[in-house]
Amino acid sequence: AQSVTQLDSQVPVFEEAPVELRCNYSSSVSVYLFWYVQYPNQGLQLLLKYLSGSTLVKGINGFEAEFNKSQTSFHLRKPSVHISDTAEYFCAVRNTGFQKLVFGTGTRLLVSP
Amino acid sequence: NAGVTQTPKFQVLKTGQSMTLQCAQDMNHEYMSWYRQDPGMGLRLIHYSVGAGITDQGEVPNGYNVSRSTTEDFPLRLLSAAPSQTSVYFCASSYEASGSPFGANVLTFGAGSRLTVL
Repeated sequence: AQSVTQLDSQVPVFEEAPVELRCNYSSSVSVYLFWYVQYPNQGLQLLLKYLSGSTLVKGINGFEAEFNKSQTSFHLRKPSVHISDTAEYFCAVRNTGFQKLVFGTGTRLLVSP
Repeated sequence: NAGVTQTPKFQVLKTGQSMTLQCAQDMNHEYMSWYRQDPGMGLRLIHYSVGAGITDQGEVPNGYNVSRSTTEDFPLRLLSAAPSQTSVYFCASSYEASGSPFGANVLTFGAGSRLTVL
């Protein structure tokens, strides 16, 4: 069965600094990978996804993620964060050909001035 | 276009009471699912449905029932609430786009229902 690990429960960062949120997954088969963002008191919304092809995936709001098959990672990056990026970020994985989506435990990004 | 609508937004129950969390989507999505979100545990799948009349269990189905009589609605029932069911519940829906690889669909989430069981 697939699983997702987000080692950092909270990442504090200053505005305009770069940030990386880490995500590692385990699966014995091919996977699709997703990053979702949850702003305070809201549901989750898609940030970006990797299905196939280029390992560097660009998403909304200037975020990007890189799929690394050998390291089974899908880390999320942004070169310069804004206060408005303060939210909780969830990495998720789905085995290709299946519907069940498994989420990580989330990383809370706290951006301060 | 309302998307995924969950009601109620907040609910307080006493142990042993029953209730139903409602979920409706107006996008004609085939797939619907219920997740619970708990601190430090992320989102865990409770039940899901791949179409009207078809439901299946997720990771944490105990204490919850679901049914899918229509494409639009996917209610979650708590038959006898327990304090361990205090959580934020999210309903989500998705569909397989034509030409898109199977399983590549993206979830559309509702705003959540916060349930407290005393």
